[in-house]
Amino acid sequence: KAGVTQTPRYLIKTRGQQVTLSCSPISGHRSVSWYQQTPGQGLQFLFEYFSETQRNKGNFPGRFSGRQFSNSRSEMNVSTLELGDSALYLCASSDPGRGTEAFFGQGTRLTVV
Amino acid sequence: KNEVEQSPQNLTAQEGEFITINCSYSVGISALHWLQQHPGGGIVSLFMLSSGKKKHGRLIATINIQEKHSSLHITASHPRDSAVYICAPPSGNTPLVFGKGTRLSVIA
Repeated sequence: KAGVTQTPRYLIKTRGQQVTLSCSPISGHRSVSWYQQTPGQGLQFLFEYFSETQRNKGNFPGRFSGRQFSNSRSEMNVSTLELGDSALYLCASSDPGRGTEAFFGQGTRLTVV
Repeated sequence: KNEVEQSPQNLTAQEGEFITINCSYSVGISALHWLQQHPGGGIVSLFMLSSGKKKHGRLIATINIQEKHSSLHITASHPRDSAVYICAPPSGNTPLVFGKGTRLSVIA
């Protein structure tokens, strides 16, 4: 069974640009959550999607957005990139209906220059 | 707002030692994740537990919901256990708040 796949693994962008990251959950998992990890702040929750609807949202500015498609794949978008957005972005999938734990992808390391 | 405190922040142990990492949180929850992150970033969910104790190989996790405290124990520690260990009270199956993590180094 394939794990959670995130693409791309590494990304370099310039300030002011926008970026889209992709997450393909484990087959059958309907919940996808996104997290940002920086050395200073540690892991922080961005948002969670379930059945194409945002179910939970962390404390991030509106520049951070996401969506989920009917096949449960999810994307997150960051617009008007700032240097402070440089981080490891992780997604995790789970199937709340079965009470399964969250499974994490390897992450996308975004560097903003 | 749920505050999560982990201790110790850093831990160095000799191979074979018994290790304990503690996690305390401020808001009542029904379950808690323990996560392991190796250098390079990959995160593995070790346990999600809501009561009592769970064991997986040399790893044991306990939780006391009433006392708002959980512990992760590693028996017969090995250098490959070197990683950052993070506790996270979830909402449903989703970790929403994370501890800062405990950086463990096991020396051969």
